[in-house]
Amino acid sequence: GNSVTQMEGPVTLSEEAFLTINCTYTATGYPSLFWYVQYPGEGLQLLLKATKADDKGSNKGFEATYRKETTSFHLEKGSVQVSDSAVYFCALSVGGGGADGLTFGKGTHLIIQP
Amino acid sequence: DAGVTQSPTHLIKTRGQHVTLRCSPISGHKSVSWYQQVLGQGPQFIFQYYEKEERGRGNFPDRFSARQFPNYSSELNVNALLLGDSALYLCASSLVRGIGTEAFFGQGTRLTVV
Repeated sequence: GNSVTQMEGPVTLSEEAFLTINCTYTATGYPSLFWYVQYPGEGLQLLLKATKADDKGSNKGFEATYRKETTSFHLEKGSVQVSDSAVYFCALSVGGGGADGLTFGKGTHLIIQP
Repeated sequence: DAGVTQSPTHLIKTRGQHVTLRCSPISGHKSVSWYQQVLGQGPQFIFQYYEKEERGRGNFPDRFSARQFPNYSSELNVNALLLGDSALYLCASSLVRGIGTEAFFGQGTRLTVV
């Protein structure tokens, strides 16, 4: 089946630190990969995505590269801000139409301290 | 533009009761998916509907059912509620069903079963 594994949290960093949140996956087909973010009291929002190997998704200073050889999609940001504090979910979907829906990891709670 | 709206935002039910949750997708979106998010976990896929037909189903018991109406809104029904059904139920809509299509999430319905 399909599964996503991401690093356990909480991850606590100081403002302006470098961020990496690891994500690896297993999939029965050729997946599209996503990072979603959930701010306190809000719904999930798409942060970035990549649909084929070696694609790099980027948004709001965050980046992730689709690595087929290592089945990974690690999230990075060069300098985090307090406003980046949230829960981050790595996810995948397989097949045209995504009829199996999105498969999510358990989420990583990120806390940025001033 | 209005985002995905879900109702109610919170509700409390007793074991054995039935519950109906409602979702209105973004205008023009024809695909609606439902997810269950237990506290501290990532969302789990329940159903996908597209053009009023069920297109995908996750690993949930038959107590869970859903439907999509001609205006593309959707209902999720859960019968014979169990304590373990307590969770945040998320609805997501997307424009189409293609690979890598972005899903837009509502803020969810918090269901507590007592």
